Amino acid sequence: AQSVTQLDSQVPVFEEAPVELRCNYSSSVSVYLFWYVQYPNQGLQLLLKYLSGSTLVKGINGFEAEFNKSQTSFHLRKPSVHISDTAEYFCAVKGDTGNQFYFGTGTSLTVIP
Amino acid sequence: DAGVTQSPTHLIKTRGQHVTLRCSPISGHKSVSWYQQVLGQGPQFIFQYYEKEERGRGNFPDRFSARQFPNYSSELNVNALLLGDSALYLCASSLDANTGELFFGEGSRLTVL
Repeated sequence: AQSVTQLDSQVPVFEEAPVELRCNYSSSVSVYLFWYVQYPNQGLQLLLKYLSGSTLVKGINGFEAEFNKSQTSFHLRKPSVHISDTAEYFCAVKGDTGNQFYFGTGTSLTVIP
Repeated sequence: DAGVTQSPTHLIKTRGQHVTLRCSPISGHKSVSWYQQVLGQGPQFIFQYYEKEERGRGNFPDRFSARQFPNYSSELNVNALLLGDSALYLCASSLDANTGELFFGEGSRLTVL
């Protein structure tokens, strides 16, 4: 069965500082991994995805993530955050069949001026 | 191009009532999925439909049902509402049943009093 664990529920960081949001997954077969961002009172927007190929994945808004099979991790990073990055971030893994996604509980990123 | 559209955006119901939520996928997308997001949690999978057929069902009671129409739009119905059904209901569309990328709408926020 697939599952995702987001280790940090809240991450405060100063503006222009780097940030890493941690995600560990459990999956029995092929691994398709995603990071979504959710701004207040909005739906989810795809930041980046790993389906196959290069383990370093670049997404929108300067975010990137690295797929690490041995550590079953897919951590999200950004070298310099902006105030506008304040949001909720969700890591997700796709199930074996269909398009059923399993989401983590989310990490609330707060960028401090 | 229009993204995934959901209606209504907000609604308030009382216990025992019934609710219908509607979703129009991105043009050309044939699969629609529904997720429930309770405050402070990640989205949880309810249903996936593809070409009007149910392709997956999450761990939700029979009070929850859905259908997909020939134009690929979808409805989610919830009967005998409980307080615990209060949540943001998210619709996501994808090109087909197994592409591994979901595009989310803004959601319908349901409050049950």
